[in-house]
Amino acid sequence: QKEVEQDPGPLSVPEGAIVSLNCTYSNSAFQYFMWYRQYSRKGPELLMYTYSSGNKEDGRFTAQVDKSSKYISLFIRDSQPSDSATYLCAMRGGSGTYKYIFGTGTRLKVLA
Amino acid sequence: NAGVTQTPKFRVLKTGQSMTLLCAQDMNHEYMYWYRQDPGMGLRLIHYSVGEGTTAKGEVPDGYNVSRLKKQNFLLGLESAAPSQTSVYFCASRKTAGLAGGAKLLADTQYFGPGTRLTVL
Repeated sequence: QKEVEQDPGPLSVPEGAIVSLNCTYSNSAFQYFMWYRQYSRKGPELLMYTYSSGNKEDGRFTAQVDKSSKYISLFIRDSQPSDSATYLCAMRGGSGTYKYIFGTGTRLKVLA
Repeated sequence: NAGVTQTPKFRVLKTGQSMTLLCAQDMNHEYMYWYRQDPGMGLRLIHYSVGEGTTAKGEVPDGYNVSRLKKQNFLLGLESAAPSQTSVYFCASRKTAGLAGGAKLLADTQYFGPGTRLTVL
């Protein structure tokens, strides 16, 4: 079993839809949770960052972490064609840990 | 600032050939990472470095070597390339941790390079 599981998609939605992307994980030591966005043939870029459980909102994006269920989510409101990309979840342990574990990525296409 | 740059962008090798991938960052970051990205496998950590002169193995280190002789550069070497090493390679850098408040976000951000597409025939 992989440490981090992520549905690969692809996920196609109409413009303006609410998108929900999810990852589950098995390692209870993970404390820092991130979402990266990767456009085709580009490197990933950090989109959202959350420490421990809770919600974090940034514009149209909301990240949720439920450590009791080992489940994290990224919601995109009012999705735009420019949101079409692969979204990768990533996580790492507490202070002093250097390694990040990434999900396999979910490919999202927002149709105009 | 150029951020993180990778050289070369593309390369085709024959089985058994060797090559070095260069990663350079101009942000004075302590930590640097090499990942490979394959379809259905996500990003997998090959090697990483927590400072000049240090290196450590990641998840998939076999067949690769690294060196961090200068803080701004992290080199990934393939001594004898194999078709299984056909992949897209990404380098990333990150500031040190141990910061408080809003600065912690910046400290935990990995900045990725544009990638090197390597094909081994």
